[in-house]
Amino acid sequence: DAMVIQNPRYQVTQFGKPVTLSCSQTLNHNVMYWYQQKSSQAPKLLFHYYDKDFNNEADTPDNFQSRRPNTSFCFLDIRSPGLGDAAMYLCATSRDDHSNQPQHFGDGTRLSIL
Amino acid sequence: DQQVKQNSPSLSVQEGRISILNCDYTNSMFDYFLWYKKYPAEGPTFLISISSIKDKNEDGRFTVFLNKSAKHLSLHIVPSQPGDSAVYFCAASASYSGAGSYQLTFGKGTKLSVIP
Repeated sequence: DAMVIQNPRYQVTQFGKPVTLSCSQTLNHNVMYWYQQKSSQAPKLLFHYYDKDFNNEADTPDNFQSRRPNTSFCFLDIRSPGLGDAAMYLCATSRDDHSNQPQHFGDGTRLSIL
Repeated sequence: DQQVKQNSPSLSVQEGRISILNCDYTNSMFDYFLWYKKYPAEGPTFLISISSIKDKNEDGRFTVFLNKSAKHLSLHIVPSQPGDSAVYFCAASASYSGAGSYQLTFGKGTKLSVIP
């Protein structure tokens, strides 16, 4: 049973056209994360939510935004995608951020920019 | 600057033999280490972890060893099976993070191929 679900699995958008990726979880975890992973690179954390508290990484471009309307859902918005934003985007969750716990990942959305 | 390094992009091992995947880190504040396994077209799956208070953790065929003085950890898989063929990511976190966030820093991964 999928616990972290990302939709769509593949997304194609045009240069400069806004795009939204979605993530949902059935684990009732407090923390949700968004990572960007480019080919042969390590996943790079973009931001995370602890409950409704948003935490942005210092080097995450302003082009990337996120919304978490409730515990189960989290969205990644790319306002004006550039060619360099083509990547795999991974959503992950963890129960909380106050103890050593693994993060649980979805299967990712592969974003292509035309 | 990479804080978690997996210097071998790929590794091939014969079925039934031991697979050893290595990981080095530079941040001495890291105190929790994890290994993730990733199949093509799937997300990373948590495999095994180790806290810095231990030097070994075992789960079935998988054992993780931690050498804090060398800032090195390794994942041993024995015996290796064809189904173990995947990309393995090493990750680390530091509990000192004031915001209370145990953020993971990942290596670039090692692609393991187990040959039948």
